[in-house]
Amino acid sequence: SQQGEEDPQALSIQEGENATMNCSYKTSINNLQWYRQNSGRGLVHLILIRSNEREKHSGRLRVTLDTSKKSSSLLITASRAADTASYFCATDAWYGNKLVFGAGTILRVKS
Amino acid sequence: EAQVTQNPRYLITVTGKKLTVTCSQNMNHEYMSWYRQDPGLGLRQIYYSMNVEVTDKGDVPEGYKVSRKEKRNFPLILESPSPNQTSLYFCASSEDRDGEKLFFGSGTQLSVL
Repeated sequence: SQQGEEDPQALSIQEGENATMNCSYKTSINNLQWYRQNSGRGLVHLILIRSNEREKHSGRLRVTLDTSKKSSSLLITASRAADTASYFCATDAWYGNKLVFGAGTILRVKS
Repeated sequence: EAQVTQNPRYLITVTGKKLTVTCSQNMNHEYMSWYRQDPGLGLRQIYYSMNVEVTDKGDVPEGYKVSRKEKRNFPLILESPSPNQTSLYFCASSEDRDGEKLFFGSGTQLSVL
């Protein structure tokens, strides 16, 4: 069963705008990760946030984590056409060494 | 260059014909894992390995086998492929035994006719 679920399923914005994607999960976690996938290629790790952290930044990326609501958000600021990709959240369930991915958000940035 | 190498990139086969998808990493990672990706379902874990000779089932292990005889290699074996195993497969590795910060291969698109 899927642990993380992204919202929205698809997002289309203009270059320069901000993009926000959300992830909800069901069970307690140790950490939550965000990955990017370009057109059927391998996923690339973007950022990891631990359960005791509330916010983390990496370049134009900002991730928040609300463990009380079991949700996370990924904000990409000043988006570029090259940000067009699918974005996945992944959580490690407390019960093991499995990393569980959501179905992803497809982001399209129009130039 | 640090990388996870999967072969082949594309594979078309017929039902019942045994096949192996190879995976190799050059980062001396302990943790390796196989995923399959299907539209609308995201990535689902097939098997993972936390070290040599240590493997465990993921969420969808039925119809698959793996082995970890060497640290760098983690082949995925389909003894008798069926059409429902048509999918995009990814191998991944991590220096962390809990699978944090996975490095992914480029994927293997498998079609079983």
